Amino acid sequence: AQSVTQPDIHITVSEGASLELRCNYSYGATPYLFWYVQSPGQGLQLLLKYFSGDTLVQGIKGFEAEFKRSQSSFNLRKPSVHWSDAAEYFCAVGAWRGAAGNKLTFGGGTRVLVKP
Amino acid sequence: NAGVTQTPKFRILKIGQSMTLQCTQDMNHNYMYWYRQDPGMGLKLIYYSVGAGITDKGEVPNGYNVSRSTTEDFPLRLELAAPSQTSVYFCASSYSGTEHNEQFFGPGTRLTVL
Repeated sequence: AQSVTQPDIHITVSEGASLELRCNYSYGATPYLFWYVQSPGQGLQLLLKYFSGDTLVQGIKGFEAEFKRSQSSFNLRKPSVHWSDAAEYFCAVGAWRGAAGNKLTFGGGTRVLVKP
Repeated sequence: NAGVTQTPKFRILKIGQSMTLQCTQDMNHNYMYWYRQDPGMGLKLIYYSVGAGITDKGEVPNGYNVSRSTTEDFPLRLELAAPSQTSVYFCASSYSGTEHNEQFFGPGTRLTVL
């Protein structure tokens, strides 16, 4: 069975500083990886996804993530954080179950606080 | 396009009461999902549906029921509410079930059982 670990529960970063959120996954086959963001009181919004090809993936809002198979990681980065990036971030791995459809397994989330 | 909508946004239930959480999507998606989100635990899949008339259990189905009579609607039913069901509930949908297909999420329903 697949699993996702986000080692950092909270991260505080100053506005304008860089941000990196860690994600480690466990999955027996080629993983399909996602990063979602959840702003306060909102649902989840997809930031980016990785299926194959280039291991550096660009997403919305200036985010990018790098897939490293050797480290089973899919870390999310942003060069310069804005106050509006304060949110909770979830890493997820998708697994194909044939007719049973796609199953997403989520990590526990990382809450990002942005200091002015 | 409203996307995925959920009602109500908030609800407080007493132990033993029942209620239905509503979920509707207008994207003509075949696949729909119900998750619950507990602090620090990420999202756990409760039930999912691959099309009208077809539903199946996810990781944490106990205490819940679902139905899928139309493509658009996927209600979640709590028959005998328990404090352990205090959580935030998210409905999601996707066009197909392939593993690279994006799931679109509703805004959530925050449920408290006292």
